[in-house]
Amino acid sequence: QSVLTQPPSVSGAPGQRVTISCTEHSSNVGAGYDVHWYQQLPGTAPKLLIYGNNNRPSGVPDRFSGSKSGTSASLAITGLQAEDEADYYCQSFDSSLSGSWVFGGGTKLTVL
Amino acid sequence: QVQLQQWGAGLVKPSEPLSLTCAVYGGSFRGYYWSWIRQSPGKGLEWIGEINHSGSTHSNPSLKSRITMSVDTSKNQISLKLTSVTAADTAVYYCARSYPLDSSDWRNNWFDPWGQGTLVTVSP
Repeated sequence: QSVLTQPPSVSGAPGQRVTISCTEHSSNVGAGYDVHWYQQLPGTAPKLLIYGNNNRPSGVPDRFSGSKSGTSASLAITGLQAEDEADYYCQSFDSSLSGSWVFGGGTKLTVL
Repeated sequence: QVQLQQWGAGLVKPSEPLSLTCAVYGGSFRGYYWSWIRQSPGKGLEWIGEINHSGSTHSNPSLKSRITMSVDTSKNQISLKLTSVTAADTAVYYCARSYPLDSSDWRNNWFDPWGQGTLVTVSP
């Protein structure tokens, strides 16, 4: 069972706002580690989208934003564009037995 | 701008070792840890381990007994060897930059940038 749980898929029409959740498993609850987000376009490597819960690397449009509250983090995408269709992954640190970095199962975003 | 380029055998027989190399171009090689991460349909993204320029390593406990990581500072390269592979090790393997050596908050690390990925298939 993944420490980080994401919905398998979300969808939205161009111009709309969508959110993707990332919920921490109970073994990691309360640890308070940062959550980071990656975008993976088909056939390419994951690309850092959000780091430290809510920070955008240089070059990432401000249509992408992140937040974290308690045991849940969210990625929001506003003004949805066709090029946003991709897989999105959250990542954090697992302080339980594994003591290593872990990823969510990924969410497939479909732009209708 | 840091760029990572990786290569290795794309087809490995069961029980044989898997070997991959990643070269780092631009930026500071000695100032960071460098990680290996794999992605398979069955297990998604999985952090494998990390190494720095002095050869200090940390590994995912689930893979630790089968992993060897090495570094060549003269070429700014890191390498991964995974032994006793099975079909479950079939995945796309990535190298990626981890945290700075002087980080006081390494647990909050993220990975950026990533190599282009190498598909490794374990099959007879």
